[in-house]
Amino acid sequence: DIQMTQSPSSLSASVGDRVTITCQASQDITNYLNWYQQKPGKAPKLLIYDASNLATGVPSRFSGSGSGTDFIFTISSLEPEDFATYYCQQYDNFALFTFGPGTKVDIK
Amino acid sequence: QVLLVQSGAEVKKPGSSVKVSCEASAATFSTYAISWVRQAPGQGLEWMGGIIPIFGAANSAQKFQGRLTITADTSTSTAYLELSNLTSADTAVYYCARVGYTGSSGRVFDYWGQGTLVTVSS
Repeated sequence: DIQMTQSPSSLSASVGDRVTITCQASQDITNYLNWYQQKPGKAPKLLIYDASNLATGVPSRFSGSGSGTDFIFTISSLEPEDFATYYCQQYDNFALFTFGPGTKVDIK
Repeated sequence: QVLLVQSGAEVKKPGSSVKVSCEASAATFSTYAISWVRQAPGQGLEWMGGIIPIFGAANSAQKFQGRLTITADTSTSTAYLELSNLTSADTAVYYCARVGYTGSSGRVFDYWGQGTLVTVSS
């Protein structure tokens, strides 16, 4: 099975800060990498699909890049509503999915 | 609007089984796969398995093989997750999600149910 790692596991930031989260796959997943945001008590929300594509209705301050095994998720300027936990997720050719362990973004 | 409506919270004894349902629209059921994801208290997301309802073909993460059954009833557009031999480690919120398609053959969880809390306690 493909394993996913994320770093950092948590970070503290202020409104207006640039935030970067990295995600690494244990083997090449081409660009089958998605990013989700989850707020407490809520279901996750898709933000980025196929490594770099913005999901419908998602603000442009969110972006993603990478391919192969190394991926980056960026919030260009943190808004108050962005304090949440972010997960990367991969999909492989055997129709199996794996989530990263998550990165909690909280207020400094 | 795509809606996935899950069954209500459950309290189960260790060693027992639980069955959670996820009702979707007929259009969703005829076109998309449904996956199940769980989240233990204070923990991350864990993909458990999924099903393509029109084919009845299911798969699951290796961790759950042997005690996880995922089925679908196309007449009611409802997917089911059944987990057996429960332990306290199975206490979690269980989500169903629609598996959408991306332009490059990727897959995403684009719509989610509201979640079902399963508590395993003696």
